[in-house]
Amino acid sequence: EVQLVESGGALVQPGGSLRLSCVASGFTFSSYSMNWVRQAPGKGLEWVSYISSTSGTINYADSVKGRFTISRDNAKNSLYLQMNSLADDDTAVYYCARDPWATVTLDVWGQGTTVIVSS
Amino acid sequence: DIQMTQSPSSLSASVGDRVTITCQASQDISIYLNWYQQKPGKAPNLLIYDASNLDTGVPSRFSGSGSGTDFTFTISSLQPEDVATYYCQQYDSLPSVTFGQGTRLDIK
Repeated sequence: EVQLVESGGALVQPGGSLRLSCVASGFTFSSYSMNWVRQAPGKGLEWVSYISSTSGTINYADSVKGRFTISRDNAKNSLYLQMNSLADDDTAVYYCARDPWATVTLDVWGQGTTVIVSS
Repeated sequence: DIQMTQSPSSLSASVGDRVTITCQASQDISIYLNWYQQKPGKAPNLLIYDASNLDTGVPSRFSGSGSGTDFTFTISSLQPEDVATYYCQQYDSLPSVTFGQGTRLDIK
């Protein structure tokens, strides 16, 4: 079964840091681009970051550029999102998602992990 | 940035009804548009890619059409399990992509 499982979400104070992880199974992780997408409470979807299969291309939304870092470890079938300088409006459910054509067309999603930024 | 405007923002329909949602882009995006379904408390699910192509395993009652700036998503015969929020998403302006604000669909 093709599956993505996120972890690492937590309650963190403004200005703090957090690292999210996403473990893939059931497919050849190293062949796929991956993305992070977030959803604030009661709001719509917001694309956050993209990484190509070899980590050769990395992109960020303007809202997180300079604060978030996406990375992957193909040997561990894992995707990461390092989040620094967190602010209240980073509060959201964070989803990792598979990107079969490297076009941010997202065909498999994890269940999400919740990040709450609050003092 | 390309803005995506969905309408309506919410709608109620009866089982068996034909349901249509529209998505308008602020500039020409060719066919670079996807549709996702998000059921309450769940992750989104890809239904349609490249404006009109059904993803694997998606029921044939779902369809999409359009190109340029105007797109349509249709459910030919609404089923109870279709209660969800539907999002369009453009990927013409890579690396930046944008989603519509969502259309919440429920059963009358």
